[in-house]
Amino acid sequence: EDQVTQSPEALRLQEGESSSLNCSYTVSGLRGLFWYRQDPGKGPEFLFTLYSAGEEKEKERLKATLTKKESFLHITAPKPEDSATYLCAPLKNTDKLIFGTGTRLQVFP
Amino acid sequence: DAGVIQSPRHEVTEMGQEVTLRCKPISGHNSLFWYRQTMMRGLELLIYFNNNVPIDDSGMPEDRFSAKMPNASFSTLKIQPSEPRDSAVYFCASSVQGAGERYFGPGTRLTVT
Repeated sequence: EDQVTQSPEALRLQEGESSSLNCSYTVSGLRGLFWYRQDPGKGPEFLFTLYSAGEEKEKERLKATLTKKESFLHITAPKPEDSATYLCAPLKNTDKLIFGTGTRLQVFP
Repeated sequence: DAGVIQSPRHEVTEMGQEVTLRCKPISGHNSLFWYRQTMMRGLELLIYFNNNVPIDDSGMPEDRFSAKMPNASFSTLKIQPSEPRDSAVYFCASSVQGAGERYFGPGTRLTVT
């Protein structure tokens, strides 16, 4: 059975305090992995796609990396506007996206 | 270009009533997805369409749920009769088939009392 686990469930950081979010998965027929950001009351917003182990993508203070069994979202010197829930979602070769339950990040000034 | 449009944004109804949620995908996208989000289960795929044809409806919880896509620019998700456990946020998303990234609408928050 396909499984996606994100940790921690919640993370509180001081502004400027770097950290990492983890997504571990067991998915058959994996084609890629997506990261989304979701703000309260809004739909998920696409951040990154990763397709192969060792691949890295960066956007502003965020960097996503991928291994065979997990992905990390590194946040460098976060700001309060980075506060959101971050969702990872492995993509199967059937084109089905399986979402984790997310990490709720709060960044305090 | 406008993103995915969903209506209504909020719906409050009584148990047993019919509920219809509406979605307009991004122009040029030929895949459409309906998701449900709850605190307990997170984001779950209910059904998706490619070129207006339902491909996988294995996530539709019961026969009370049905979805249609009569043309490339419109889809509906209907619940009849509704039950309190259907209360959730329902998202519609669209993409170019095979491209992977889904673009989500703002969601419809459904409350069934």
